[in-house]
Amino acid sequence: DQQVKQNSPSLSVQEGRISILNCDYTNSMFDYFLWYKKYPAEGPTFLISISSIKDKNEDGRFTVFLNKSAKHLSLHIVPSQPGDSAVYFCAASVDSGANNLFFGTGTRLTVIP
Amino acid sequence: DAGVTQSPTHLIKTRGQQVTLRCSPISGHKSVSWYQQVLGQGPQFIFQYYEKEERGRGNFPDRFSARQFPNYSSELNVNALLLGDSALYLCASSLRTGGYYGYTFGSGTRLTVV
Repeated sequence: DQQVKQNSPSLSVQEGRISILNCDYTNSMFDYFLWYKKYPAEGPTFLISISSIKDKNEDGRFTVFLNKSAKHLSLHIVPSQPGDSAVYFCAASVDSGANNLFFGTGTRLTVIP
Repeated sequence: DAGVTQSPTHLIKTRGQQVTLRCSPISGHKSVSWYQQVLGQGPQFIFQYYEKEERGRGNFPDRFSARQFPNYSSELNVNALLLGDSALYLCASSLRTGGYYGYTFGSGTRLTVV
């Protein structure tokens, strides 16, 4: 029962262009969403988050958009850099006090120089 | 500034054996969570401990157990290992409970059951 889904296992983008990673969820009780980045042989690193009361959160080159009615969120990276090449995981929690995160299966982003 | 440290980094065990994985959180972090990441999947929640008490448990069998010590370090124990337990086991620490605070993950312990 995968409550958080990332339907694109991989994405390739030219350096300098925009990368858009997508995530869908099924549990309408989720109200906090996070993106993590993972390099090989390292643990996931927190990237950016968004609360359900917002529809956009921006941090430098990274912007997360949330569409609650569609149960969809996306991560935009502009401009993409080769160092952004990694696996990106979308995660969700029921509320800010929740004990656990539900992760998607990840999208491998490759930024081509 | 030490991050979340996990030991060992790699481990090979035989079916039926028992294993103990260790985690030291970031200094000042009182919450430790354990996740299992099977190849090709996202991390799946196993346990969370906060202030030495279990605060959450995922959908894992009773063969999985954990504890948190007074210094906030933690151990994950898995008994009667199955081939399906082969995975990357991630430990994450945070100041408090809740996804809002954002976990900091360790690099994980790669467990292979043969």
